[in-house]
Amino acid sequence: QSALTQPASVSGSPGQSITISCIGTTSDVGSFDLVSWYQQYPGKAPKVIIFDVTQRPSGVSDRFSGSKSGNTASLTISGLQAEDEADYYCCSYAGSSTFVFGLGTTVTVL
Amino acid sequence: QVQLVESGGGVVQPGTSLRLSCTGSGFIFRTFDMYWVRQAPGKGLEWVAIVSHDGDKRFYSDSVKGRFAVSRDNPKNTLYLDMNSLTPDDTGLYYCAKDPPGGRYYFDSWGPGTLVTVSS
Repeated sequence: QSALTQPASVSGSPGQSITISCIGTTSDVGSFDLVSWYQQYPGKAPKVIIFDVTQRPSGVSDRFSGSKSGNTASLTISGLQAEDEADYYCCSYAGSSTFVFGLGTTVTVL
Repeated sequence: QVQLVESGGGVVQPGTSLRLSCTGSGFIFRTFDMYWVRQAPGKGLEWVAIVSHDGDKRFYSDSVKGRFAVSRDNPKNTLYLDMNSLTPDDTGLYYCAKDPPGGRYYFDSWGPGTLVTVSS
């Protein structure tokens, strides 16, 4: 149950697109199309923004999109806005009713 | 609307025990699997445990297996986490969460968390 690997920080200017990678293994990301992404503001509980690799919950901006290739999942934020400045975590189902989170990525809007 | 509220956190000494609770409302508690996720200060999220909707199945992360026990009381709409042999590494904000209808593999609602501090 090793944490998924994410870059510690990613930054971009308003309007740009950024991508956050989430590297797992054949035991988690690579075996299941069950990757979710969470946005967390300081002092707040996480909020799901992507589930099942590519699906957006109702009410989540279509500027957020997800993908996966092999053992790596990715979250792309298009048209970066100041309100996107937050921490982002990936999470993968890892079999046998267990889950593993990524280490988290801080997004900074320059 | 869905609401989850954790309680029971506090400051405890290493080696001692603590019980956390999470009360759910706004949804049919007995039909959803429930989870505990924790976050050490300034660190990332860590999945801790799951209990099935009927309480029959329980699974844990390697870091708490054998020390923590998850349970639920469906008539009381309450989830529990019994934590034993606590160490400073168990310090953090403990969230309860639920999955969406249909038993999907993600967490669609979270409580605000309850803070556990293990320190001598």
